[in-house]
Amino acid sequence: AQTVTQSQPEMSVQEAETVTLSCTYDTSENNYYLFWYKQPPSRQMILVIRQEAYKQQNATENRFSVNFQKAAKSFSLKISDSQLGDTAMYFCAFMKNNDMRFGAGTRLTVKP
Amino acid sequence: NAGVMQNPRHLVRRRGQEARLRCSPMKGHSHVYWYRQLPEEGLKFMVYLQKENIIDESGMPKERFSAEFPKEGPSILRIQQVVRGDSAAYFCASSPNRVEETQYFGPGTRLLVL
Repeated sequence: AQTVTQSQPEMSVQEAETVTLSCTYDTSENNYYLFWYKQPPSRQMILVIRQEAYKQQNATENRFSVNFQKAAKSFSLKISDSQLGDTAMYFCAFMKNNDMRFGAGTRLTVKP
Repeated sequence: NAGVMQNPRHLVRRRGQEARLRCSPMKGHSHVYWYRQLPEEGLKFMVYLQKENIIDESGMPKERFSAEFPKEGPSILRIQQVVRGDSAAYFCASSPNRVEETQYFGPGTRLLVL
């Protein structure tokens, strides 16, 4: 079974600075998908970014980018120019055949 | 195009009652997933359904829990004889009629069992 590990329960960053959230996973699969979801205090789950394992190029979405290291099974999220609205829980997720598994989450606080 | 809709948003039940949670997927989506989130934890997969079929229910407790996705109408997650440990946020997600597509989440239903 696939497992997803987020080793940082909590992190904080100053507004406008950059922060990196880590995620590792365990799988024997070669083709799969990875996601980062954001859960603000409203508790809505919001898709931040998606990465296909067969793509070598790291996905980017505006201020959000990932560092995907397939051999190391690592999938970190970098948030640039952090904003107060980025304060939320961030969940890393692994998906294969529509079966999605989530990490335990990292609580990010952006400080003014 | 409305997103995934869930209702009710909040549900309070006493021990032993039944809870019914509803999920309407995004238009054009025929895959529905249910997840449970306990306080301060990540989401745990419960069940995956397509129209009129349960594809994977490996994450759903064998007793008291059931799910359906009828040909017409929303998907229903039903919890019979609720206990306090069922208190959680229940999220529904949907994806299009293709494999390996991104799942889009509803706002969740917060169930509180007194």
